[in-house]
Amino acid sequence: EPEVTQTPSHQVTQMGQEVILRCVPISNHLYFYWYRQILGQKVEFLVSFYNNEISEKSEIFDDQFSVERPDGSNFTLKIRSTKLEDSAMYFCASQLGDSPNQPQHFGDGTRLSIL
Amino acid sequence: GNSVTQMEGPVTLSEEAFLTINCTYTATGYPSLFWYVQYPGEGLQLLLKATKADDKGSNKGFEATYRKETTSFHLEKGSVQVSDSAVYFCALSEGYSSASKIIFGSGTRLSIRP
Repeated sequence: EPEVTQTPSHQVTQMGQEVILRCVPISNHLYFYWYRQILGQKVEFLVSFYNNEISEKSEIFDDQFSVERPDGSNFTLKIRSTKLEDSAMYFCASQLGDSPNQPQHFGDGTRLSIL
Repeated sequence: GNSVTQMEGPVTLSEEAFLTINCTYTATGYPSLFWYVQYPGEGLQLLLKATKADDKGSNKGFEATYRKETTSFHLEKGSVQVSDSAVYFCALSEGYSSASKIIFGSGTRLSIRP
């Protein structure tokens, strides 16, 4: 079964540094998402992306965050200047079509640790 | 806004016991409801879903029924196995709109003793 793949599985970065988290969605999917889960807390929506633009973003997704689909296969999340509170598990998801009958498929996540 | 509230964990049961994990939601309109499971070291997997009132989602022996009157979507399994040990997330999607986000509950950690 096709999978969403995320790299790296664990990223350790100094506070203030830029970090890019990478995702390869399922190939024919059209909708893309990033979520995050701070340790011990809920999985929270960050941003959705369709037709090469952001569809919706949460309050968490401030000017330090950006997303890109640079080459038609990768979907990246960039954090420009990381803060300690950005430490979390980041999940990418993709969806074939925008319907509840088309589930979102999640990757295994990237654990981001900010020192 | 829309939200999901689920039973606090951790829940520890013996193998073959009956499982219920309670979930209630608050939503405007007609959301779709989901249970996701996260096995140790893995990502989120869709376990089951229901898209309208009175629908029953089922998979791997788990079931949940979309109850609009009680705004609930409780997860049940008649006889749990050690391999069911995982974190279970109740979730909703806000319905038809471009790129509908999922809103998750806080998760319930389930541990099954042999």
